[in-house]
Amino acid sequence: RKEVEQDPGPFNVPEGATVAFNCTYSNSASQSFFWYRQDCRKEPKLLMSVYSSGNEDGRFTAQLNRASQYISLLIRDSKLSDSATYLCVVNLPQQAGTALIFGKGTTLSVSS
Amino acid sequence: SQTIHQWPATLVQPVGSPLSLECTVEGTSNPNLYWYRQAAGRGLQLLFYSVGIGQISSEVPQNLSASRPQDRQFILSSKKLLLSDSGFYLCACRAGSSYEQYFGPGTRLTVT
Repeated sequence: RKEVEQDPGPFNVPEGATVAFNCTYSNSASQSFFWYRQDCRKEPKLLMSVYSSGNEDGRFTAQLNRASQYISLLIRDSKLSDSATYLCVVNLPQQAGTALIFGKGTTLSVSS
Repeated sequence: SQTIHQWPATLVQPVGSPLSLECTVEGTSNPNLYWYRQAAGRGLQLLFYSVGIGQISSEVPQNLSASRPQDRQFILSSKKLLLSDSGFYLCACRAGSSYEQYFGPGTRLTVT
């Protein structure tokens, strides 16, 4: 089983749509979870951390289900500028240096 | 907050030539530093990480090496490049108790 799995997409949605991305992770001891955003040919940038109780940042909502080892990201009222690849990220707690494991990403394309 | 510099931004090198990529960090001290590679159409692969000067851990056996001669300097090297070394090389930094990592702008390497 891959350590972090995401649906690669692409997700093609019109402006204003609501879109949800899902992610599963294999290491039940992971404690830290993130969503990163990566624009074409650019570095990944931290979008938001994911907390156990769920958290919201404007149009973005992240949820964590530890029992199912499942993470989600919901984007409401999609904008053209949301077009990017979204990376699901978890930590590997056993390793010194606290490495992060990145999913391969889900590509979102928002059209007018 | 920290700023991560990488150079060069792009590089085209022939097979068998040496490589040296540099990463420097500003705005923090004693960070954990990471080298990742992202090959075309693939996810981020952790290559090396360092928790301090002179301390390097390798995640993937290959013809690359890393060094950390100063607290905020991280270097990725190779004596002889292979075609498979082509990719987008990203330096990342983690500071403090948070597991979040922040990326530099990356170096796009093409081996011909």
